[in-house]
Amino acid sequence: EVQLVESGGGLVKPGGSLRLSCVASGFTFSTYRMVWVRQAPGKGLEWVSSINSRSTSTYYVDSLEGRFTMSRDNAKNSLYLQMNSLRVDDTAIYYCAREVRLGWFDPWGQGTLVTVSS
Amino acid sequence: QSALTQPASLSGSPGQSITISCIGSSSDVGAYNYVSWYRQHPGKAPQLMIYDVSNRPSGISNRFSGSKSGNTASLTISGLQAEDEADYYCSSYTSSSHYVFGTGTAVIVL
Repeated sequence: EVQLVESGGGLVKPGGSLRLSCVASGFTFSTYRMVWVRQAPGKGLEWVSSINSRSTSTYYVDSLEGRFTMSRDNAKNSLYLQMNSLRVDDTAIYYCAREVRLGWFDPWGQGTLVTVSS
Repeated sequence: QSALTQPASLSGSPGQSITISCIGSSSDVGAYNYVSWYRQHPGKAPQLMIYDVSNRPSGISNRFSGSKSGNTASLTISGLQAEDEADYYCSSYTSSSHYVFGTGTAVIVL
């Protein structure tokens, strides 16, 4: 079964840091691009970042202003999102997803909640 | 990059058809056939329903169909069922190698 499991979410103060992880199973992780998508409470989906299979290219939504870094370890079938200088408006459920081919994501993980609050 | 524009909510009776629009621009929806649709039930992760404008993944009912004209993509749900009540989001690849999602549509089955 193709599966993605996120972890690492939690409560953090504004200005703090957090590292999210996503472990993949059931497919050849090293051959797929991956993405992070977030959803603020009661709001819609927002694409956050993408990474190619070899980590040679990463892309980020403009609003992050360089605060987040996406990476992967193909040997560990793992995806990461390092989040620094966190702000209250970064509060959201963060989902990792496999980019099957350009343009579509399947499956999605169950999500991990990040709460930024003092 | 602004979110793609979707109606906030749509409703229909069981058996009816509804169509959700997704309005973008020449830099996203109008530029590529990389439009996908996702369904999200409350408290659950999104689920892929349509990819490449009009293709259904394995296991998705043929009651779901997608199309595109210019900068506007559409998702049609035929034979509306209670289980179709959920939020629906469109997504498009963009000319800056990013992605953008729609604002989301809550489908209500009366």
